[in-house]
Amino acid sequence: EDQVTQSPEALRLQEGESSSLNCSYTVSGLRGLFWYRQDPGKGPEFLFTLYSAGEEKEKERLKATLTKKESFLHITAPKPEDSATYLCAVPGAQKLVFGQGTRLTINP
Amino acid sequence: ETGVTQTPRHLVMGMTNKKSLKCEQHLGHNAMYWYKQSAKKPLELMFVYNFKEQTENNSVPSRFSPECPNSSHLFLHLHTLQPEDSALYLCASSQEGSGWGGINEKLFFGSGTQLSVL
Repeated sequence: EDQVTQSPEALRLQEGESSSLNCSYTVSGLRGLFWYRQDPGKGPEFLFTLYSAGEEKEKERLKATLTKKESFLHITAPKPEDSATYLCAVPGAQKLVFGQGTRLTINP
Repeated sequence: ETGVTQTPRHLVMGMTNKKSLKCEQHLGHNAMYWYKQSAKKPLELMFVYNFKEQTENNSVPSRFSPECPNSSHLFLHLHTLQPEDSALYLCASSQEGSGWGGINEKLFFGSGTQLSVL
């Protein structure tokens, strides 16, 4: 069964304290991976698509990387406005499979 | 307006009520989706429409009834819901209309309808 697991469930950081979020997956035949950001009371907003192992993409303080078994979302010197829930998703055999998300809080 | 718009933003209904959720996309996309988001659970796909045709019903109870009159509008009709149906209901659209697990599944979400069933 296609499965996506994100860790940690929640992460609290001080402003400027860098860290990484993890997304591990088990799907037959990786066809890419998506990262989304979700703010409270809003729908998810697309961040990145990674197509193959070894690929990296960056956007401001965020950098997403992909291996054959997992993806990392690295956050460098985060600011309070980076606080959100970050979701990853992988195309499964029959549908897009989402992880349960990591709730990130950046304290000023 | 731009993007994906959902109304209402909040809805409280009794178990015997009938209500409808509305979604409109202004992006010229070919596919539209209903997702359910419950606390601490992954997004659950409910329905997919490609070019107005329903391509999948992801084992959703019949008390949820979707309607897609055209490629820009999507409705979710609700009747005799249960308290466990309380959740955030999200509408999304995508350009390619590949439906399921294709790589071109970059989704654009609305802000959702927060539903509470009493």
